[in-house]
Amino acid sequence: KQEVTQIPAALSVPEGENLVLNCSFTDSAIYNLQWFRQDPGKGLTSLLLIQSSQREQTSGRLNASLDKSSGRSTLYIAASQPGDSATYLCAVVQGAQKLVFGQGTRLTINP
Amino acid sequence: NAGVMQNPRHLVRRRGQEARLRCSPMKGHSHVYWYRQLPEEGLKFMVYLQKENIIDESGMPKERFSAEFPKEGPSILRIQQVVRGDSAAYFCASSPQGAGGPSRPDTQYFGPGTRLTVL
Repeated sequence: KQEVTQIPAALSVPEGENLVLNCSFTDSAIYNLQWFRQDPGKGLTSLLLIQSSQREQTSGRLNASLDKSSGRSTLYIAASQPGDSATYLCAVVQGAQKLVFGQGTRLTINP
Repeated sequence: NAGVMQNPRHLVRRRGQEARLRCSPMKGHSHVYWYRQLPEEGLKFMVYLQKENIIDESGMPKERFSAEFPKEGPSILRIQQVVRGDSAAYFCASSPQGAGGPSRPDTQYFGPGTRLTVL
């Protein structure tokens, strides 16, 4: 059974810092891995999708890496801004396209 | 191009009543997924549907819960005889295509969710 773990559960950093969020998964037989952002009381916004054959994806200040063999992914956020404050969710896709989510990392960027 | 739409956004029911949650996928998307987020927990997969077919319902509770995606109209998640433990946020997602093996991974686009409160 696939399990996804995100560390840390919460993170608070001052504005401008670069930061890394971690995601690990127990079964490396995945189709892809996605990072999402969830704002309080809102839905999910897809940030990056990494296919199983890829090593990383970049979008603006965000960079996600995937090491399938070790079951790990990282989300790197450069030059953090208060607007980046949200919960970040990692999810892997196995089988019939269902997403298996981690518990999320609650990120607070302090001005 | 409207995103995934869910209604109602907030739903309050008393124990024993029925809850019907609706999801309209993005235009051109024929695959719908339902997820549940219990308070202080992560999102859990419930069911995956295509038009008129349930593809995977391995995450659905065995009783009281059902889902459909008819040929016309939105997908419906139905919860009969609700209990307090059903209080959660229910999210719907859609994709243009579903599982096609490793060569066809599709981003799932999420709706804003329906927050169900059972009194």
